[in-house]
Amino acid sequence: NAGVTQTPKFQVLKTGQSMTLQCAQDMNHNSMYWYRQDPGMGLRLIYYSASEGTTDKGEVPNGYNVSRLNKREFSLRLESAAPSQTSVYFCASKRPTGIYGYTFGSGTRLTVV
Amino acid sequence: KQEVTQIPAALSVPEGENLVLNCSFTDSAIYNLQWFRQDPGKGLTSLLLIQSSQREQTSGRLNASLDKSSGRSTLYIAASQPGDSATYLCAVRGDRDDKIIFGKGTRLHILP
Repeated sequence: NAGVTQTPKFQVLKTGQSMTLQCAQDMNHNSMYWYRQDPGMGLRLIYYSASEGTTDKGEVPNGYNVSRLNKREFSLRLESAAPSQTSVYFCASKRPTGIYGYTFGSGTRLTVV
Repeated sequence: KQEVTQIPAALSVPEGENLVLNCSFTDSAIYNLQWFRQDPGKGLTSLLLIQSSQREQTSGRLNASLDKSSGRSTLYIAASQPGDSATYLCAVRGDRDDKIIFGKGTRLHILP
């Protein structure tokens, strides 16, 4: 099925560990995004990529790095996880033009202990 | 800096009623506005997208309006059903970059 695929769906990390959240879309979209969702804070943009080879910071980029590996894949890396990074992470993608909106993945629930 | 506000934060209404959810944004220089639905523990599902040049969009029992100059959008749900219970999120994309900014959502509960 076409859409945005995120892996893993769940992850528990110890403080200081590193990990990479994977995101892939098969809709040939140019733009891809990483959000985190926290209770009472809503969805906040971490990083986005308007096209292959480009990335830009969003509202809350500290503690994260991203890689736009190719047009399909946009990964989010936590180099040294902290409890404050416990959250649900969503990846999204968007077509470059036209009236269509954004497609979201089903999320990765990350707990840092 | 764009800020998106959704009021109320939570709403409970009896089944069958028509209802309106509100979204306001501080910067009227937007490219489009989108309404999403999120069920507990799930991802986001796109409901309606309105371009900045449009006044409204309709899909089934849903109607979204946009008043860009006043920085407001509404989502109208007709003849509400228990299956409409979810959190509804409004998101705005500015016309200067590719970022989309979300409101915190309205948690809707339809009482059977």
